[in-house]
Amino acid sequence: EVRLVESGGGLVKPGGSLTLSCAASGFIFSNYAMNWVRQAPGRGLEWVSSFGSSSSHEYADSVRGRFVASRDDAKNSLYLHMNSLRVEDTAVYYCATQGFDYWGQGTLVTVSS
Amino acid sequence: IVLTQSPATLSLSPGERATLSCRASQSVSTFLAWYQQKPGQPPRLLIHDASSRAPGIPARFSGSGSETDFTLTISSLEPEDYATYYCQHRLNWPLTFGGGTKVEIK
Repeated sequence: EVRLVESGGGLVKPGGSLTLSCAASGFIFSNYAMNWVRQAPGRGLEWVSSFGSSSSHEYADSVRGRFVASRDDAKNSLYLHMNSLRVEDTAVYYCATQGFDYWGQGTLVTVSS
Repeated sequence: IVLTQSPATLSLSPGERATLSCRASQSVSTFLAWYQQKPGQPPRLLIHDASSRAPGIPARFSGSGSETDFTLTISSLEPEDYATYYCQHRLNWPLTFGGGTKVEIK
């Protein structure tokens, strides 16, 4: 059974940093690209990043230069390193598999002073 | 690429047919997916490549369209189908989602 579990969310002040993790199981993690998608409270879905390998990663314009994705295939884990956080980054952050066919339950990031 | 979904809200009774629209600002060929999301839950993939149902998705869900105009049809609404539906294109970067259509009980 495919399972994705996000962690690392919390309350952070504007300008601060946070790292999210996504632990994967039930499939050969190293064979697939992974995605981050976020959803602000009461709003729609926003694609954040897709990460295949160190040479294959894409970011939304809204986070490029501030967020960096990485992965550790030995630990079956995906990460999202978030810097220079803004109030508008407040959202539930989901990780999803390559085809967006499996999603985690999400982790809430709140950016507030 | 901007995806515009309509209507924003659809009020229908159980057993009725639901027709949801997604229009792209430029052609996305058939690189379009549909998702269902219920409150407090992550999205669930329903349709990929415009018309291919994901594994385990009931046959009452169908997708159609190409280029810039796409439709998600629910042939006969079940109680568990009341939710918000999003389209997403997968043609190129950045991937984008539509604003969503909420299907509510009439």
